[in-house]
Amino acid sequence: EVQLVESGGGLVQPGGSLRLSCAASGFTFSSYAMHWVRQAPGKGLEYVSAISSNGGSTYYANSVKGRFTISRDNSKNTLYLQMGSLRAEDTAVYHCARDYYDGSGWRDAFDIWGQGTMVTVSS
Amino acid sequence: QSALTQPASVSGSPGQSITISCTGTSSDVGGYNYVSWYQQHPGKAPKLMIYDVSKRPSGVSNRFSGSKSGNTASLTMSGLQAEDEADYYCSSYTSSNTYVFGTGTKVTVL
Repeated sequence: EVQLVESGGGLVQPGGSLRLSCAASGFTFSSYAMHWVRQAPGKGLEYVSAISSNGGSTYYANSVKGRFTISRDNSKNTLYLQMGSLRAEDTAVYHCARDYYDGSGWRDAFDIWGQGTMVTVSS
Repeated sequence: QSALTQPASVSGSPGQSITISCTGTSSDVGGYNYVSWYQQHPGKAPKLMIYDVSKRPSGVSNRFSGSKSGNTASLTMSGLQAEDEADYYCSSYTSSNTYVFGTGTKVTVL
């Protein structure tokens, strides 16, 4: 079964750090670009970051640029999000998501999502 | 990057058709044919319904269709069913090499 499982969320104080993980299974992780998307409680989806299949290219939303770092370990089939200088507005469920391949090419969409891990930034 | 604009809510009776709009700019929706749509039931992960403006992934009902005109994309659901009641989000690739989501639309089946 194709699956993404996030972990590492929790309660952290403003200014603190946290590292999220996303364990992939059921597919060739090293072939796919991966993404992080977050959702604040009761709010909509917000794009956070992306990383290419080999980790050589990374992209960030302006809201997290300079504070968050995306990385991956293809030998462990795991995606990471290192979060620093955390703010109250970073409180959200963080989902990892897989780039979509429709059989003829990579598409700018996300076909597999994890259930998410909750990050709460509060004193 | 500002969120794409969607109506907060849309409703319809079973069997009817409804359309959700998604308005952006020439730097996102208007500039690329890379609009996707996601369905999210409460407490669940989003599900890809439409990609590349109008294409459906395998397994998605043909009751769902997508289109785009200028800076506005649309998702149409025909033959509305109770199970279609959910939140829907559009997304677009942007000129910043990232993506932006819409504000989200709650669909209610009356």
